[in-house]
Amino acid sequence: EAQVTQNPRYLITVTGKKLTVTCSQNMNHEYMSWYRQDPGLGLRQIYYSMNVEVTDKGDVPEGYKVSRKEKRNFPLILESPSPNQTSLYFCASGNSQGALAFFGQGTRLTVV
Amino acid sequence: EDKVVQSPLSLVVHEGDTVTLNCSYEVTNFRSLLWYKQEKKAPTFLFMLTSSGIEKKSGRLSSILDKKELFSILNITATQTGDSAVYLCAVGSTDSWGKLQFGAGTQVVVTP
Repeated sequence: EAQVTQNPRYLITVTGKKLTVTCSQNMNHEYMSWYRQDPGLGLRQIYYSMNVEVTDKGDVPEGYKVSRKEKRNFPLILESPSPNQTSLYFCASGNSQGALAFFGQGTRLTVV
Repeated sequence: EDKVVQSPLSLVVHEGDTVTLNCSYEVTNFRSLLWYKQEKKAPTFLFMLTSSGIEKKSGRLSSILDKKELFSILNITATQTGDSAVYLCAVGSTDSWGKLQFGAGTQVVVTP
């Protein structure tokens, strides 16, 4: 089954404690992206990657890092999380035409 | 600055009604416009539009793009309660192939 898998689904952490949210897709997609979704602000793009070792900033990259060492994986790293990074995070993947056709189930992150 | 504006923000209809959702955009070097449906969880991909005047159709849903007037319409005919969701529009530019900017969404509630 074609899918994007994010882990964990829920996470509560403390300010400053480094964390990684994993994202994996099984469709051999070149294009992957991370979004955060906040009430009243909608979906905002954090980072995207058009292929292995190719990543670029979206609209809200501050405080986040990503890597794309393999085609299937695109982890999101928060080196020093802060409460304003409390949000619902989505990973998505798509083909080289730029259509993000598959979204993961989301990771609800709370930073206290 | 690129902009994606959806209207209305929300609407309530009765089962069987037809719904028309609008997505207007301002983006330099337009590449594509995408529609998604978001229920409780992750967005699901509906359509990708790149050419003016060509209708995309899937069951009771259809969409069309007007690149001259810079908008797209999503129609839902013979609505059912299962159509209740937030409908999201996203726009991509050829300036940054992986950047995909979302609108705030239209919440549709279909009552029995």
